[in-house]
Amino acid sequence: RKEVEQDPGPFNVPEGATVAFNCTYSNSASQSFFWYRQDCRKEPKLLMSVYSSGNEDGRFTAQLNRASQYISLLIRDSKLSDSATYLCVVNAPSGAGSYQLTFGKGTKLSVIP
Amino acid sequence: DGGITQSPKYLFRKEGQNVTLSCEQNLNHDAMYWYRQDPGQGLRLIYYSQIVNDFQKGDIAEGYSVSREKKESFPLTVTSAQKNPTAFYLCASSPQAGHITDTQYFGPGTRLTVL
Repeated sequence: RKEVEQDPGPFNVPEGATVAFNCTYSNSASQSFFWYRQDCRKEPKLLMSVYSSGNEDGRFTAQLNRASQYISLLIRDSKLSDSATYLCVVNAPSGAGSYQLTFGKGTKLSVIP
Repeated sequence: DGGITQSPKYLFRKEGQNVTLSCEQNLNHDAMYWYRQDPGQGLRLIYYSQIVNDFQKGDIAEGYSVSREKKESFPLTVTSAQKNPTAFYLCASSPQAGHITDTQYFGPGTRLTVL
């Protein structure tokens, strides 16, 4: 089983739509979670951090379900500028009291006029 | 204006040549990282450094080398031993490595092509 798994998409949605991405992780000891946004041929940029059950920032809501080991990202009222690849990132113990990030392969979103 | 810089943006190399990618940060972060990204793949960790003069191998360190002589700088050398070096290379930094709330910030990347 992959450590961090995402639906690769692409998700093609019209402007104004609500879209949700899911991400599952295999290490039950994972402690913190992140969503990054990556535009084509650019670097990933931090979108949201999730340390407890969830986080909301404007049109973006991230939720964490520890029992089922998944994180979701909800985007409301999609804009053309939301078109990007969304990376799910999990911070899990790597031994000796240290933690390491593991990146999913990303879910591609295209918002269509 | 704080941030992470990488140079060059594009790099072309002939087979058999070593090449060094630059990464500099002025965020006063302790930890720095090098990742490789291939099309349709997630980021894979090459090397990381938690403090000056110390670094650790990541998941795919073979064919790469690094140094950390200054806090601000973490250059990556892609050696001729790396069998498939063509990729997008991303440098990142975080306030402290291996922390439970570790958040990493990325530079703009270097796209390396082997001819």
